[in-house]
Amino acid sequence: AQKITQTQPGMFVQEKEAVTLDCTYDTSDPSYGLFWYKQPSSGEMIFLIYQGSYDQQNATEGRYSLNFQKARKSANLVISASQLGDSAMYFCAMRWGQAGTALIFGKGTTLSVSS
Amino acid sequence: DVKVTQSSRYLVKRTGEKVFLECVQDMDHENMFWYRQDPGLGLRLIYFSYDVKMKEKGDIPEGYSVSREKKERFSLILESASTNQTSMYLCASSLIAGGDGELFFGEGSRLTVL
Repeated sequence: AQKITQTQPGMFVQEKEAVTLDCTYDTSDPSYGLFWYKQPSSGEMIFLIYQGSYDQQNATEGRYSLNFQKARKSANLVISASQLGDSAMYFCAMRWGQAGTALIFGKGTTLSVSS
Repeated sequence: DVKVTQSSRYLVKRTGEKVFLECVQDMDHENMFWYRQDPGLGLRLIYFSYDVKMKEKGDIPEGYSVSREKKERFSLILESASTNQTSMYLCASSLIAGGDGELFFGEGSRLTVL
C-alpha cells in the first residue's frame, strides 16, 4: 500500500534561515509523482512543487527545492531564506501509477517563522 | 485562473440530518475529489470521480456518497450526519490523470454536526 510519512509535527525557524521539511514515501510502483502543498491559516491549499519519479534532477521553484533521494524514498522540501509569510502547514503528497488521479497526503508539518 | 467553489464555508447540522456539500469547478477538469481534513490526520480521500457519473471510493468512504451529474459539479452527501463527521471538507479538481497534474482546491467547508 502507498504511504506518505511526515515525522515533524512542528518546525521553528528564524527569518532568512533555510529549513528542511521531511517527507518519506512508500510505494512499489515505479511511476509516481510527489507534491508539496502549503496551507496558510486562511485554509487555502497552495501547490508549491512537483517531482516525478523518473526526473533526473531535483525540482526547484523559486525559494523552494525538493531534495529527492529515490533510493531512500525521501522527498524533503527545502525552503531557502525563510520569510514570515512562510508560516503555514505544509503537506507532502504522492500520486502513483500511470493512470493515477488522486493524491495521498501526509499528516503535515506546521512551520513557524519568527523575526 | 482555475476556480473551485464550495457552496458553503461553514455549516452546522444536527445528528441524523442529510447534508449536501456542493463543489463546482470552472475549468472543464475531468477529475474531481473530496477530502476531509482533521488535525493530526492530514487530508484523507473520501471519493473521487474521473468522469461524469463515474465515482471511485477513496480511503474513508463509509458514511458518504457522491454525485456527479455534470462535469463541473461534484457533490458530497452525508445521508445521516453523525458527530464524527464534524470536519473540514475540501473539494479539488485536476485536468489530467497521472503525471504532474496538480490538484486545485476549493476554500473548504467546515461542517459541525451537533
